[in-house]
Amino acid sequence: AQSVTQLGSHVSVSEGALVLLRCNYSSSVPPYLFWYVQYPNQGLQLLLKYTSAATLVKGINGFEAEFKKSETSFHLTKPSAHMSDAAEYFCAVSDWMNTGFQKLVFGTGTRLLVSP
Amino acid sequence: NAGVTQTPKFQVLKTGQSMTLQCAQDMNHNSMYWYRQDPGMGLRLIYYSASEGTTDKGEVPNGYNVSRLNKREFSLRLESAAPSQTSVYFCASSAGLAETDEQFFGPGTRLTVL
Repeated sequence: AQSVTQLGSHVSVSEGALVLLRCNYSSSVPPYLFWYVQYPNQGLQLLLKYTSAATLVKGINGFEAEFKKSETSFHLTKPSAHMSDAAEYFCAVSDWMNTGFQKLVFGTGTRLLVSP
Repeated sequence: NAGVTQTPKFQVLKTGQSMTLQCAQDMNHNSMYWYRQDPGMGLRLIYYSASEGTTDKGEVPNGYNVSRLNKREFSLRLESAAPSQTSVYFCASSAGLAETDEQFFGPGTRLTVL
């Protein structure tokens, strides 16, 4: 079964600083990977997804992620944090169920705190 | 275009009570899902519906039932609520089951079982 590990349940940065949220996956085959963002009291929203077309994936709100097979990583970055980026971020991977259905397996999430 | 809507937003139940969580989408999506979110555990799939008329179990189906009423609506029922079912419940939908299909999430229902 596929899984993802997010290092750090909380990450704190200052406004304008680099944002780096870590995600490592375990997969024996090329995975499909996703980053979702959850703002307070809202549902999840897709930031970006990796589908093997390009290793550097650009998403919404200035975020991007790089797929590194050698490191089994898919870290999320943003060059300059904004106060509005404060939210919880989830990494997810597609996994096959025995019903022939692909489900999303989510990491435990990383809460990003941005200080002025 | 409201996307995915869920009712109610909040609910408090006593152990043993029953309730139904409602979900509707207006994007003409074929597939719908129910997840629960617990602190430190991410989201876990309860049930899903690949298309109208079909439903299947996810990772944590025990204690729940679902109904895909039509293409738009997918409800989740707790027949006899237990404190372990205290959680935030999210409904989601996608165009299909392809591994790259984006899932769109509703705002969630916060359920407390006393």
